[in-house]
Amino acid sequence: GEDVEQSLFLSVREGDSSVINCTYTDSSSTYLYWYKQEPGAGLQLLTYIFSNMDMKQDQRLTVLLNKKDKHLSLRIADTQTGDSAIYFCAGGGSAAGNKLTFGGGTRVLVKP
Amino acid sequence: NAGVTQTPKFQVLKTGQSMTLQCAQDMNHNSMYWYRQDPGMGLRLIYYSASEGTTDKGEVPNGYNVSRLNKREFSLRLESAAPSQTSVYFCASSERGLNFGPGTRLLVL
Repeated sequence: GEDVEQSLFLSVREGDSSVINCTYTDSSSTYLYWYKQEPGAGLQLLTYIFSNMDMKQDQRLTVLLNKKDKHLSLRIADTQTGDSAIYFCAGGGSAAGNKLTFGGGTRVLVKP
Repeated sequence: NAGVTQTPKFQVLKTGQSMTLQCAQDMNHNSMYWYRQDPGMGLRLIYYSASEGTTDKGEVPNGYNVSRLNKREFSLRLESAAPSQTSVYFCASSERGLNFGPGTRLLVL
């Protein structure tokens, strides 16, 4: 099955860009997702990318997909204190949302 | 729309007790899921239901049973709780990506 890996922790200064990285094993994943989890809350879908795309931009968020290296990244521009959270990448399944496999999460701490 | 709702929010059980976690969605989604979240391990799929009337095992189904009562509701049952089942449980439904409920925090003593 799918295996998804992420770094554990990222510290960034307010106003800088954050880049969160993720690697996955299943090249048949149709969609790849980024979720955000704030303390004590559920997971919130931030954005997703279809596997035939290289890049997707959505306001301050940019997703880059390198299918050859099976590498996914999420860039957050002008990082704010409200961006402090755990970010999960997820992939897998042949249809949108089906049986996703999640990485262990990257805790992002934004310092003023 | 309420999205995905879960009850209870928090529960403490003694080893061997049973309980049912309830989940409902009002988005008319066919697929529903139960995940558990443990520190450092991300989310792991317990069971899922691709449509009303069907259920399938996920990655960690042992110790759990599920019921897809109707299109809206998908419940998770622990027949005899064990301390290893202490976790945060998330229900989700899907169309484009998973829509998660707020979670149930379960402590088994």
